[in-house]
Amino acid sequence: NAGVMQNPRHLVRRRGQEARLRCSPMKGHSHVYWYRQLPEEGLKFMVYLQKENIIDESGMPKERFSAEFPKEGPSILRIQQVVRGDSAAYFCASSPRQGHGDTEAFFGQGTRLTVV
Amino acid sequence: GEDVEQSLFLSVREGDSSVINCTYTDSSSTYLYWYKQEPGAGLQLLTYIFSNMDMKQDQRLTVLLNKKDKHLSLRIADTQTGDSAIYFCAENQAGTALIFGKGTTLSVSS
Repeated sequence: NAGVMQNPRHLVRRRGQEARLRCSPMKGHSHVYWYRQLPEEGLKFMVYLQKENIIDESGMPKERFSAEFPKEGPSILRIQQVVRGDSAAYFCASSPRQGHGDTEAFFGQGTRLTVV
Repeated sequence: GEDVEQSLFLSVREGDSSVINCTYTDSSSTYLYWYKQEPGAGLQLLTYIFSNMDMKQDQRLTVLLNKKDKHLSLRIADTQTGDSAIYFCAENQAGTALIFGKGTTLSVSS
C-alpha cells in the first residue's frame, strides 16, 4: 500500500506562470488536506476536500489558488500567476474519514515550489 | 493567544533525555499530536494523545498533557543522533484540520 504520493517533489516556476501540484491519497482514503509550510514556519492549513467536494477552504488565499479532488485521479492544488511569496513546501495529507482524529492522517513527502 | 507555541531550538547530548514543550490554544481540542520532520522530508506522526489522558508512553517517547495550562510535552529518552529533526506539536480543532506550531529543531551531539 503506497503512501500518499505527491508530485512533483520539486517545482521551479517563473513569476507569472502556473503551478500544479498533485496528490494521490492512500488507497481507500477519500479525504484530502493541503497544507503550506513557509520557510522556518509550521504547516498552515489551506483546504480540505472530499471526492468532488471542497469542504473547508478557509485557509486558501482568495485569489490565484484553487483546489480540486475529482472522482477519478489525484487532488490538484493550482496556483495561478505565481509570485515569489508562493515559494514554500506544500504538503498533502489523506485520511479515510473526516478529521485527523485518532486516525493517522498520512502526509506525503511534499512539493517544494520555488518561484524565480 | 491564537498560535501553538514551541521553543525553536533544543540541543542535547547523545544518551540524554530531550524534553520538547508546547502550549496549545484550544481547550476543546480533542487530539494533540507530535510530528517529526527530517530535512527535506514529509511529516511523520510520532504519537498522539487524546484530551482525556494525562500521559501516554510509547517506547522511548512519553507525552504529558496538562489541560489546565494547555501544555503538552514530548520526552525522548536516550536521545540518539537519528532523533535530530524538527518536531511539531499540533492540535486538532473542530475536527477538520490541524493547527501546527512552528517546530522545535532538536540537535543531538555525540
